[in-house]
Amino acid sequence: EAQVTQNPRYLITVTGKKLTVTCSQNMNHEYMSWYRQDPGLGLRQIYYSMNVEVTDKGDVPEGYKVSRKEKRNFPLILESPSPNQTSLYFCASSDRGRGYGYTFGSGTRLTVV
Amino acid sequence: GIQVEQSPPDLILQEGANSTLRCNFSDSVNNLQWFHQNPWGQLINLFYIPSGTKQNGRLSATTVATERYSLLYISSSQTTDSGVYFCASRGQRGTGFQKLVFGTGTRLLVSP
Repeated sequence: EAQVTQNPRYLITVTGKKLTVTCSQNMNHEYMSWYRQDPGLGLRQIYYSMNVEVTDKGDVPEGYKVSRKEKRNFPLILESPSPNQTSLYFCASSDRGRGYGYTFGSGTRLTVV
Repeated sequence: GIQVEQSPPDLILQEGANSTLRCNFSDSVNNLQWFHQNPWGQLINLFYIPSGTKQNGRLSATTVATERYSLLYISSSQTTDSGVYFCASRGQRGTGFQKLVFGTGTRLLVSP
């Protein structure tokens, strides 16, 4: 089944403790991105990647890092999480050439205390 | 960048009723999609519809790109249709091409 897999689905952590949210897609998509969703602010893009080793900032990149060493994986790294990073996070992928749209992962609900 | 507006913001239906959700966008778009966010927070892709009409069971969607709007039709609604419906689009090449811009959503509640 074609899908984007995020892990974990739920995570509660403490301020300053580094964490990684993994994202993997099995559709051989070139394009991957991360979004966060917050009440009243909607979905906002954090980072995106056009291909392996090509990443760029979205609208709200502060406090996040990403890497794209393999085509299928696009982890989101929070080096020193803070409470304002409590949010619902989504990873998405797309095959730019075919225009089939974006496929989203199931989301990761992160709470930083 | 492109702006996406959705209406109505909230909708309450009795099970079995039909409804139409609207999405207006401020500029030429490509990659127009409709999503359903279920009560567990998952974003489900309903339609990729940059133009024309598509149907999938009780749902159908129409995009009129020249007039910059898209419609999502839900027929014979069921309680499982409850949640938030988003339309989203990527802008034209240049600014905003690399991200989806989401509308503010229509929150639907279907009561039994």
